[in-house]
Amino acid sequence: SYELTQPPSVSVSPGQTAIITCSGDELGAKYVCWYQQKPGQSPVVVMYQDDKRPSGIPERFSGSNSENTATLTISGTQPMDEADYFCQAWDSSLVFGGGTKLTVL
Amino acid sequence: HLQLLESGSGLVKPSQTLSLTCAVSGDSVSSGAYSWSWIRQPPGNGLEWIGHISHSGTIRYNPSLKSRVTISGDKSKNQLSLRLTSVTAADTAVYYCARTERIHNFFDPWSQGILVTVSS
Repeated sequence: SYELTQPPSVSVSPGQTAIITCSGDELGAKYVCWYQQKPGQSPVVVMYQDDKRPSGIPERFSGSNSENTATLTISGTQPMDEADYFCQAWDSSLVFGGGTKLTVL
Repeated sequence: HLQLLESGSGLVKPSQTLSLTCAVSGDSVSSGAYSWSWIRQPPGNGLEWIGHISHSGTIRYNPSLKSRVTISGDKSKNQLSLRLTSVTAADTAVYYCARTERIHNFFDPWSQGILVTVSS
């Protein structure tokens, strides 16, 4: 079965750029989306179709996808961005990455 | 304003059947632009897609759960349902329903989630 691999954790200082990766075989040939989940809350989509931001998502969030890696980039990271982030793609079934805990400190 | 509200038992005994309902308001499960999905998240863990039902009633399941899962829709009540048979402790999770954009398969919005514990 298809697998998406994310680093368990990423740390960044406020104002710096956070980069969260999601790896999978020929992932660049699939559309990837990203969810943000804060403690005790439901996930919220922050990126879809690799690089499209839903309305209401700040411009500091951007995405890309090429070859075997999709990337969610948060420029000028703010403390409010501290959360778990999950990537998702569709292969023969719908698959999530294991999630990355973003710490802003 | 779209709202998704789950209901069902929060405690299920091992080997029994988990049953949940997701009531949709602010949109129609018959809407052609969307499917409607179930997703779960074991405590402290990641997300697992369970399956979805389209506006036309087409259903797809996660192969790992397919033998135990039934998803159905009720257009008259504007709701979707989930049944999971022969549950074990591994099925303990927060269960979400979510509207699913059909072309790019992303979930927006999600319900608040309901914790289902499998325990005797």
